[in-house]
Amino acid sequence: EVQLVETGGGLIQPGGSLRLSCAASGFSISTNYMSWVRQAPGKGLEWVSVIYSSGSTYHADSVKGRFTLSRDNSKNTLYLQMNSLRAEDTAVYYCARDHPTGNYPAFDIWGQGTMVTVSS
Amino acid sequence: QSVLTQPPSVSAAPGQKVTISCSGSSSNIGNNYVSWYQQLPGAAPKLLIYDNNKRPSGIPDRFSGSKSGTSATLGITGLQTGDEADYYCGTWDTMRGVFGGGTKLTVL
Repeated sequence: EVQLVETGGGLIQPGGSLRLSCAASGFSISTNYMSWVRQAPGKGLEWVSVIYSSGSTYHADSVKGRFTLSRDNSKNTLYLQMNSLRAEDTAVYYCARDHPTGNYPAFDIWGQGTMVTVSS
Repeated sequence: QSVLTQPPSVSAAPGQKVTISCSGSSSNIGNNYVSWYQQLPGAAPKLLIYDNNKRPSGIPDRFSGSKSGTSATLGITGLQTGDEADYYCGTWDTMRGVFGGGTKLTVL
C-alpha cells in the first residue's frame, strides 16, 4: 500500500528545534518530488518545502534559513529539521508526494499530518 | 493574504452544479499548471485535479478543471452532501509552491 506516515510533532518552546519524519511505503521517495505542506489551526494550506528527485530543495520565504529538508533513501524517509521555531510555525504539518506523471505541484499522496505547537 | 484568490464560500443545492474560481497572475497560474484539492473536516487534503484538467484515478467525472490565462476553475456537478468541504487550488510561482485561501462549499 502506498502511504506516508509523519511523526515527530509536539509542543516546543519558541526558539527551539524539532525534527519531523515522514516514512514512505509502497514507493521510493528518491524518485519522486516530496514536499511538506502545513496548515495553521483554522487556516488554509501553506506550502513549506520541496525536495526534487535530483536532491535540490526549495523553501517558502517564511521558513528559509530556519528549516532544512533532507531524505534518507535507505530508510525511505523524509525529514524536516525545524530550527528557531516561532509561534507562527504552529500548524499541522503534512508530508506529500507529487503525482509521478503530473507537473509540480500535484500532491497525490498525503500523510495524516503531525501537529507542531510552538508555545511557552 | 494568499497569492491565489478564491471566494471564501459557495453554496448550491444537492444535484446542482457549482464552480469555484482561482485567480492568480502571470508568475503563477499564467505559466504553470494548476491542481485542486478537497479537504473534508479533520482529514488530509485529497487531490481532485492536476495539470489543470486531469483527474487522478478514482476521482469521478463530476469534478472538472479548466484554466484560462491567469485564472482557473473547478467545477462540480451533481452535488452531494458528501461534497461539503474546503477546496483549494495550488500551483507554482517563482521557486515556491502557492495555494489559494480555500473555498468552503456548502450543499444546502
